Amino acid sequence: AQSVTQPDIHITVSEGASLELRCNYSYGATPYLFWYVQSPGQGLQLLLKYFSGDTLVQGIKGFEAEFKRSQSSFNLRKPSVHWSDAAEYFCAVGYQAGTALIFGKGTTLSVSS
Amino acid sequence: GAVVSQHPSWVICKSGTSVKIECRSLDFQATTMFWYRQFPKQSLMLMATSNEGSKATYEQGVEKDKFLINHASLTLSTLTVTSAHPEDSSFYICSARGGLAAYNEQFFGPGTRLTVL
Repeated sequence: AQSVTQPDIHITVSEGASLELRCNYSYGATPYLFWYVQSPGQGLQLLLKYFSGDTLVQGIKGFEAEFKRSQSSFNLRKPSVHWSDAAEYFCAVGYQAGTALIFGKGTTLSVSS
Repeated sequence: GAVVSQHPSWVICKSGTSVKIECRSLDFQATTMFWYRQFPKQSLMLMATSNEGSKATYEQGVEKDKFLINHASLTLSTLTVTSAHPEDSSFYICSARGGLAAYNEQFFGPGTRLTVL
């Protein structure tokens, strides 16, 4: 079955340090890839997406993600984390046009001062 | 563009009553809408897919008689939780696809928090 794996349930990063959140998917072809952020009690905010083309994708709030076909990965990165980045991060995958997204279980990011 | 709204943003109801949640695409026509449910500290789980003018397709394990979905127009889908019970308390999020959306892109509503007493 198609699936999305976020191996890290909870990550704590010092403010100003770099961040990488991992995401792996299982599927033969290249899916459509998304990263969302969710603050407590809030809806989802799209950080970035990959459909095709350049495998390094720039998003909002200084985030970027790199699609690596050989590793079936779409890891999210940020060079310097701010305290306001503390939230829940979800990787999501779309496999076919018109179908719903499949979400990973999420990674909780805590930022320490 | 591509804004999706939900109403209400939160609702509290008594056990046994029914609650209706609306999902609207404000600036595009949504040929497909999706309903997700998110329990505390968990991921989003797809409940059903609805296409305008046709019956919704429910995921395995989701009771179609309990969670009634109507997608009567290209800008509105409703989810009615019938005879709600405390275990139905959750965060319900809709997404919409179509119109200005890029291939397979969906736009999410802000969610509705349902608490059943």
